[in-house]
Amino acid sequence: AQKITQTQPGMFVQEKEAVTLDCTYDTSDPSYGLFWYKQPSSGEMIFLIYQGSYDQQNATEGRYSLNFQKARKSANLVISASQLGDSAMYFCAMREGPNFGNEKLTFGTGTRLTIIP
Amino acid sequence: DSGVTQTPKHLITATGQRVTLRCSPRSGDLSVYWYQQSLDQGLQFLIQYYNGEERAKGNILERFSAQQFPDLHSELNLSSLELGDSALYFCASSYRARGGNTGELFFGEGSRLTVL
Repeated sequence: AQKITQTQPGMFVQEKEAVTLDCTYDTSDPSYGLFWYKQPSSGEMIFLIYQGSYDQQNATEGRYSLNFQKARKSANLVISASQLGDSAMYFCAMREGPNFGNEKLTFGTGTRLTIIP
Repeated sequence: DSGVTQTPKHLITATGQRVTLRCSPRSGDLSVYWYQQSLDQGLQFLIQYYNGEERAKGNILERFSAQQFPDLHSELNLSSLELGDSALYFCASSYRARGGNTGELFFGEGSRLTVL
């Protein structure tokens, strides 16, 4: 079974609108971390936001927020007021186990987001 | 700039050849990870080193090998190259949790390998 599933291969969104990128995960470990990365066309991987399995509140970082629904095993990324520069590939990733020198991440297949002017 | 340096940025070589990719982690980071990103396989974890020791192994082919040196830089060696090895190879680094660390990986810009 896939550990990280991103069901939206591509999305087109009008500039200034909010967008939600879906991510579901599968793990039996009670301690885990969920991450979102952005990969622009230039290729680098940019860390956006993190959510720990024991965190009580949804993570937020500027225009990025993570809608964490533990019972549903989903960790959707919400981008508010989208900008042209948000056009990129977005990856959801998971670390299983506590964060003690084992930060190996498993990545989903990604969602290509295109912002339309 | 993530602070992780990878060289070379681009590499074109022929089938059957051997190449070495180099990675310098962020200052203070003890862990180095290698990932392969290809069009059909997505981002695949290859191998992790922590302070010079192999910590975890993923989908790394026997033709591939890696090591981390005492100065913490790492090298990924790819030999007997095949067309299917063409990919973007990422190095990432992180440091041991010291409270408050989320454990995110900091990625280099990648080394794009083309095998002809």
